[in-house]
Amino acid sequence: SYVLTQPPSVSVAPGQTARITCGGNNIGSKSVHWYQHKAGQAPILVLYGDYGRPSGIPARFSGSKSGNAATLTISRVEAGDEADYFCHVWDSSDDHVFGSGTKVTVL
Amino acid sequence: QLQLQESGPGLVKPSETLSLTCTVPSGTLSGGNYYWGWIRQSPGKGPEWIGNVYYSGVTYYNPSLESRVTISMGPSSSQFSLSVNSVTAADTAVYYCAGCVVGSNRFDYWGQGTPVTVSS
Repeated sequence: SYVLTQPPSVSVAPGQTARITCGGNNIGSKSVHWYQHKAGQAPILVLYGDYGRPSGIPARFSGSKSGNAATLTISRVEAGDEADYFCHVWDSSDDHVFGSGTKVTVL
Repeated sequence: QLQLQESGPGLVKPSETLSLTCTVPSGTLSGGNYYWGWIRQSPGKGPEWIGNVYYSGVTYYNPSLESRVTISMGPSSSQFSLSVNSVTAADTAVYYCAGCVVGSNRFDYWGQGTPVTVSS
């Protein structure tokens, strides 16, 4: 089965840049989506199709891919960005697959 | 922004059936623009896709859960439902309903989730 691997946690100071990786075999050929999830709230789509930003998502959120990893970058981090972030792909064999999630802590 | 709301019992006994309902704004389900799905997240784990249903009733399931899961439209015209039978403690999770844009394979809209515990 297809597996997406994320680091459990990332810590970043306000104003700095947070980078969250999502590793998967041949992920370059798949469309990666990213979600922000704050406790007790509905998850929010922050990036779709590797780089696309839904309406209302600040440009501080960006995406990239290299090799077997996709990366969500949050620039100029704010206290309100503190949340869990998880990646998601659709795989022809396993359908929808999600990453294990990364907790972003703003110091 | 589409609002989705899950509802159902928060406690289910082992071997029984877990049943949840998702309510969406009136008229949304029949539009044909979305697949409607269920996703769960167990403590300490990443989200797990359970399955999707299209307004026509066509369903798609996670192969690992397919033998125990039924997703259907209804009971009302603004609801779709999830049923998981023969539950065990491993089915304890927060269950989310979500909307997936047809052709995009991404979940644009999610509910807040409802916690379900399997325990006697």
